Amino acid sequence: GQQVMQIPQYQHVQEGEDFTTYCNSSTTLSNIQWYKQRPGGHPVFLIQLVKSGEVKKQKRLTFQFGEAKKNSSLHITATQTTDVGTYFCAGRDTGNQFYFGTGTSLTVIP
Amino acid sequence: GAGVSQSPRYKVTKRGQDVALRCDPISGHVSLYWYRQALGQGPEFLTYFNYEAQQDKSGLPNDRFSAERPEGSISTLTIQRTEQRDSAMYRCASSPETGTGVFQYQETQYFGPGTRLLVL
Repeated sequence: GQQVMQIPQYQHVQEGEDFTTYCNSSTTLSNIQWYKQRPGGHPVFLIQLVKSGEVKKQKRLTFQFGEAKKNSSLHITATQTTDVGTYFCAGRDTGNQFYFGTGTSLTVIP
Repeated sequence: GAGVSQSPRYKVTKRGQDVALRCDPISGHVSLYWYRQALGQGPEFLTYFNYEAQQDKSGLPNDRFSAERPEGSISTLTIQRTEQRDSAMYRCASSPETGTGVFQYQETQYFGPGTRLLVL
């Protein structure tokens, strides 16, 4: 069946360091979304990517959708303590099924 | 309302009892999704509606789980004869788009605070 895996599962960084999480799907995705979930909170939408090779930026966050539309990445430059949380990718496959990834939990050490 | 609301926020029940979880989506939102989220894991898709029509219920674990959205707004997820393994956070999300695969539209999903279900 469809699987959307994220690596790493956990990441600890010093404040100011960069952070990247990778999302890999076993099948081609029609779109990819990224969500952030703070501890004790609910997932909050960050961005959606649709096109092959698409790159979008939001301040210190850079999102990329792979050429084959089977993988994606989220890169945070110069992390801050406010970046703490779990980052989930989520995608819709060509059969219109919607899946969340396994998540990457980010801890930022001040 | 300002966002998606869910009730109750916490539910403790005994094994074998039925529970009904309610979701009040953002006014005017077309799609409504139900997820189950275990601690430390990503949301697991259960089912979703466009308006009042249930589009996909492939994620419902078994026939003890059912959902309805009779008037295309509020939705109820019902779990019959609850079991301890049903304990989890149940999340609802709504979206202004239909989620039918018209992918150029922004399919933002707005999540509610969730209902924490504990089956004893």
